[in-house]
Amino acid sequence: KAGVTQTPRYLIKTRGQQVTLSCSPISGHRSVSWYQQTPGQGLQFLFEYFSETQRNKGNFPGRFSGRQFSNSRSEMNVSTLELGDSALYLCASSSWTSGGSGAQYFGPGTRLLVL
Amino acid sequence: DQQVKQNSPSLSVQEGRISILNCDYTNSMFDYFLWYKKYPAEGPTFLISISSIKDKNEDGRFTVFLNKSAKHLSLHIVPSQPGDSAVYFCAASASNTGKLIFGQGTTLQVKP
Repeated sequence: KAGVTQTPRYLIKTRGQQVTLSCSPISGHRSVSWYQQTPGQGLQFLFEYFSETQRNKGNFPGRFSGRQFSNSRSEMNVSTLELGDSALYLCASSSWTSGGSGAQYFGPGTRLLVL
Repeated sequence: DQQVKQNSPSLSVQEGRISILNCDYTNSMFDYFLWYKKYPAEGPTFLISISSIKDKNEDGRFTVFLNKSAKHLSLHIVPSQPGDSAVYFCAASASNTGKLIFGQGTTLQVKP
């Protein structure tokens, strides 16, 4: 099976702009989660989607949003970019549905630089 | 409030020897634990996981041990190989959430 794919891999934006990142999960996986990795804060959970519904949300401001489509592909959007949003954004997919937990498989990430 | 902690930022071992990476957690609601390996500018690669109903899980050279009373887990790599050199993250989650809480990572260097 193909792994998790993310596009674009690299992105440069300026403060105040908005950005949309895309993630295609492993075939058959319906749960998609997003994480932000920065040197200071490490890997932090943004949100998780399952069957087009946001099931869990991390402690990020409302500028960070996401959605999931019927084919399980997901996008995340960051509006009004700030310098501190520069990070590696990671998408992960999982086959678990409800009850218990399951391993999450990560994509290669999108490196966002805000100038 | 860091719920998952990896207190050793780095570890260096000789090729062929055992590598032991440690992780502590504080939230008793966590019931599923995972280890990931990560190279710079890449996504984490899933290595091994363990449910809270077990105390040990093995997969090839990798073994994870869970001590629930101490809220501690460890990853053993035997024998260590130079290709194992990377950053290792432990992560934890509670049932019915797609939310992983990660430790800060331990950089493992395996010397030939």
